[in-house]
Amino acid sequence: SAVISQKPSRDICQRGTSLTIQCQVDSQVTMMFWYRQQPGQSLTLIATANQGSEATYESGFVIDKFPISRPNLTFSTLTVSNMSPEDSSIYLCSADSGWAETQYFGPGTRLLVL
Amino acid sequence: RKEVEQDPGPFNVPEGATVAFNCTYSNSASQSFFWYRQDCRKEPKLLMSVYSSGNEDGRFTAQLNRASQYISLLIRDSKLSDSATYLCVVNGNQFYFGTGTSLTVIP
Repeated sequence: SAVISQKPSRDICQRGTSLTIQCQVDSQVTMMFWYRQQPGQSLTLIATANQGSEATYESGFVIDKFPISRPNLTFSTLTVSNMSPEDSSIYLCSADSGWAETQYFGPGTRLLVL
Repeated sequence: RKEVEQDPGPFNVPEGATVAFNCTYSNSASQSFFWYRQDCRKEPKLLMSVYSSGNEDGRFTAQLNRASQYISLLIRDSKLSDSATYLCVVNGNQFYFGTGTSLTVIP
């Protein structure tokens, strides 16, 4: 299984600012994903980060609000732009396992927007 | 209708008990199925994949019924360390997560 790390693990931010979350995988992976999980809720897919092309966003999420980078096969970033308290959540990155068709998750970034 | 539906629980069971969770999915074209475990304030971790033939891993048994579009997880001889939220995950054109079923095993 892939080992995934995320930075920062948590942050408290002021509204109107932006935060960039980094996700590092210990091996090359084809697909990386960004999710959001509200307290007591399930995971919601924000976007799929494709290496060498634009990210693919799910309904309700737009690039201007959540720009994503995927410069290589082991790294991705998600920026939460112009934050509001409604953006307070846990943000998780994941990577596909290739042949096993499952996903492995990073430890998450806990974001609180004041 | 949600892609994946689970009974949120909570399930509170004594140590040693057998407990079963069920999950239904809406997309009959879904291709692969999983149970994940999520501990409080931690990331989801893969517990096991689910196959039509059923699969077993120690005290855990997972089953898939494609005709009825439901997935089950059976935990035998519950341990305190089994306390967690169990997420049903269905892979169609993307991964869909259930809201999770909370399990607390009581001494």
